[in-house]
Amino acid sequence: KNQVEQSPQSLIILEGKNCTLQCNYTVSPFSNLRWYKQDTGRGPVSLTIMTFSENTKSNGRYTATLDADTKQSSLHITASQLSDSASYICVVSDRGSTLGRLYFGRGTQLTVWP
Amino acid sequence: EADIYQTPRYLVIGTGKKITLECSQTMGHDKMYWYQQDPGMELHLIHYSYGVNSTEKGDLSSESTVSRIRTEHFPLTLESARPSHTSQYLCASTPSAGTGNTIYFGEGSWLTVV
Repeated sequence: KNQVEQSPQSLIILEGKNCTLQCNYTVSPFSNLRWYKQDTGRGPVSLTIMTFSENTKSNGRYTATLDADTKQSSLHITASQLSDSASYICVVSDRGSTLGRLYFGRGTQLTVWP
Repeated sequence: EADIYQTPRYLVIGTGKKITLECSQTMGHDKMYWYQQDPGMELHLIHYSYGVNSTEKGDLSSESTVSRIRTEHFPLTLESARPSHTSQYLCASTPSAGTGNTIYFGEGSWLTVV
């Protein structure tokens, strides 16, 4: 069964600190992995997208890594800011159909305190 | 910033009422999607479309229906709302070429059925 599991479920850190969010998946055949940021009451916004051949991709203070062999990804946030408080969702796409079916994790709820 | 819009953003309606959630995008995307998301839970695909006059049901069974008469417009209709339909509904779109494109989400429509 294709699944996406994220950990931790929730995380609280102090402003300025770094943190790492984890995503494990069993989706096969794998096509790509996306990280999204979803502010409360808003739609998800894309942070990064990685294909099978990519190990690392950065977007400002966000750095995503992908290990396609172990089917794990991480999202590292550097020098956190209050505006980073949001849910971070890992989304994995398969290539078994034209649709490129998407499998969503439940997200990690990050809270940054001043 | 994504040019995909949802209305209404928030709606409270009575049981048995008919409701249509609007979704429009100005990016010329062929693929459009409707997701349902309960608080703290993952997104579930309820409908998708590859283009005009193309609609398919998603993974999650839904009593809603959709139509795609114009490329930019993908409305979702509930003929008779029930309290179990209370949820957030997210519309999304992506270009048709390839499966590695960014998926753009609308801001969401929060529906409460009383």
